[in-house]
Amino acid sequence: GAVVSQHPSRVICKSGTSVKIECRSLDFQATTMFWYRQFPKQSLMLMATSNEGSKATYEQGVEKDKFLINHASLTLSTLTVTSAHPEDSSFYICSAQDLGGEKLFFGSGTQLSVL
Amino acid sequence: GNSVTQMEGPVTLSEEAFLTINCTYTATGYPSLFWYVQYPGEGLQLLLKATKADDKGSNKGFEATYRKETTSFHLEKGSVQVSDSAVYFCALINDTGGFKTIFGAGTRLFVKA
Repeated sequence: GAVVSQHPSRVICKSGTSVKIECRSLDFQATTMFWYRQFPKQSLMLMATSNEGSKATYEQGVEKDKFLINHASLTLSTLTVTSAHPEDSSFYICSAQDLGGEKLFFGSGTQLSVL
Repeated sequence: GNSVTQMEGPVTLSEEAFLTINCTYTATGYPSLFWYVQYPGEGLQLLLKATKADDKGSNKGFEATYRKETTSFHLEKGSVQVSDSAVYFCALINDTGGFKTIFGAGTRLFVKA
């Protein structure tokens, strides 16, 4: 079946550094990828919608300059958390939508801990 | 706006017990409803879905019926197995929301042998 690879699964970094998270669709093309953030015991919150070859669309309240998203190809989207701070510690998950538009496949998530 | 509320876990059952995980939603229009499952160490997988009122989605012994009158999509299984231990997410996609998936918080299920 379709697989989405998200890397790394866990990262610990110092405050002020930047962290890049990759999301790859391994055996299908995804024109649209979504990035979610999840706080403990809360639902996944959509951060941004990433469309191949165009600028990402960010949800209200999400800082574009802090969470940089690049979707350079039909199989890869990256999320870079710039100048990370402890409040950015969270679980980040990506999902990729197939070309048909309604099937969604998910990465296994990245647990970010900022010290 | 669109939102999904599901029962808070964890839910702990013995093998062969009956399972119900409640899910209710708020949405304008006619959303499609989904249940996703996440097994340990894996990404979320689609378990079942229903796209219109009164539809019943089913897969692997799990069922959920799209109830518009009660805005619910409760997940049920008649006899759970240890291998069903996972986190289950209720979700919706709505064209008024640009087909963005809205998830519930997830419910962790533990099944004891």
